[in-house]
Amino acid sequence: DADVTQTPRNRITKTGKRIMLECSQTKGHDRMYWYRQDPGLGLRLIYYSFDVKDINKGEISDGYSVSRQAQAKFSLSLESAIPNQTALYFCATSDLRDYTDTQYFGPGTRLTVL
Amino acid sequence: SQKIEQNSEALNIQEGKTATLTCNYTNYSPAYLQWYRQDPGRGPVFLLLIRENEKEKRKERLKVTFDTTLKQSLFHITASQPADSATYLCALNSGNNRLAFGKGNQVVVIP
Repeated sequence: DADVTQTPRNRITKTGKRIMLECSQTKGHDRMYWYRQDPGLGLRLIYYSFDVKDINKGEISDGYSVSRQAQAKFSLSLESAIPNQTALYFCATSDLRDYTDTQYFGPGTRLTVL
Repeated sequence: SQKIEQNSEALNIQEGKTATLTCNYTNYSPAYLQWYRQDPGRGPVFLLLIRENEKEKRKERLKVTFDTTLKQSLFHITASQPADSATYLCALNSGNNRLAFGKGNQVVVIP
């Protein structure tokens, strides 16, 4: 089984809908991240969490919210989806004990907002 | 914060040749630098890490160098194969205890 899983893998939705993307990990890592990737823009950090009680905004958090339900689960919500949130979304984890912050990514969720 | 620069143009290379990618950064030199591979529609996968006191690191057909004077890392794929076709991202500490990623450089190995 994959160490970092994301659901759904693909989602098409309409403007104004609320969407939740879920991430689960079995690596036992404390740190979890949400990124979005757009062609030509690379990976951009949306939110990150260093433990269950710690949530931090990344560089592009507007329009998104997150919930860290447990050490192994980190969800990303789009309260009211808009077309420019169409992108590939990745969850990642890293080990708090690893000062290099090497990250392990999930397979991604392709989100299309019409 | 760090600015990370990777060539936006794809590198097309003949099978069997050595592919060389460049990662340049501004500002301070990080304590380490990482390289990841990303296949289309999939998440990046960690390949190699090199520390500031290491000039070179190897893993099978991959070689990474780190020149803190030039503020540059080179990533080499020797004896390239079509299966090496992918986008390669460099990443380094952004100064606030987080990793920052370059935009990636695509490699296309032509049989």
